[in-house]
Amino acid sequence: EAQVTQNPRYLITVTGKKLTVTCSQNMNHEYMSWYRQDPGLGLRQIYYSMNVEVTDKGDVPEGYKVSRKEKRNFPLILESPSPNQTSLYFCASRRGGGSSEQYFGPGTRLTVT
Amino acid sequence: AQSVTQPDIHITVSEGASLELRCNYSYGATPYLFWYVQSPGQGLQLLLKYFSGDTLVQGIKGFEAEFKRSQSSFNLRKPSVHWSDAAEYFCAVGAIGNTPLVFGKGTRLSVIA
Repeated sequence: EAQVTQNPRYLITVTGKKLTVTCSQNMNHEYMSWYRQDPGLGLRQIYYSMNVEVTDKGDVPEGYKVSRKEKRNFPLILESPSPNQTSLYFCASRRGGGSSEQYFGPGTRLTVT
Repeated sequence: AQSVTQPDIHITVSEGASLELRCNYSYGATPYLFWYVQSPGQGLQLLLKYFSGDTLVQGIKGFEAEFKRSQSSFNLRKPSVHWSDAAEYFCAVGAIGNTPLVFGKGTRLSVIA
């Protein structure tokens, strides 16, 4: 089954404790993205990657890091989480090209206290 | 760069009534247009997409959307809403090449008996 998986689905952590949210896709997609969703703000892109070892900042990259060492994986790293990073996070993937459908993971609910 | 506006933050309709969700886009060329739905606690699922050709596109769950170039719009419609349609709906626009999809802020649909 074609899918994007994220782990963990729920995470409660404390300020400053480094964490990684994993994302993996099994569709051999070139393009992967991370979004955060906050009430009233919709989906905002954090980072995206057009292929292995190619990443770029989205609209709200501050406080986040990503890496793309393999085509299928695109982890999101919060080196020093802060309460304003409490949010719902989605990973997504699609084939290259603007016309292709984007597939979303189930989301990770992160709370930073 | 492309942009998307969903003018309605929240819409309430009665079960069985018709529905139209508005989406306006800005892009200099023919855009790639998408509608996604996010049910409570779920990820985003593609409802339908427009690339070219027939301006009226059919999607899943009985939804359709019409591309109107003159109005820069891609409104989502359903003739008879079911309670299970209560969700958040996102319009998105893609451009030629490997550029990120741009999402609107979403419209939350409530369905009342």
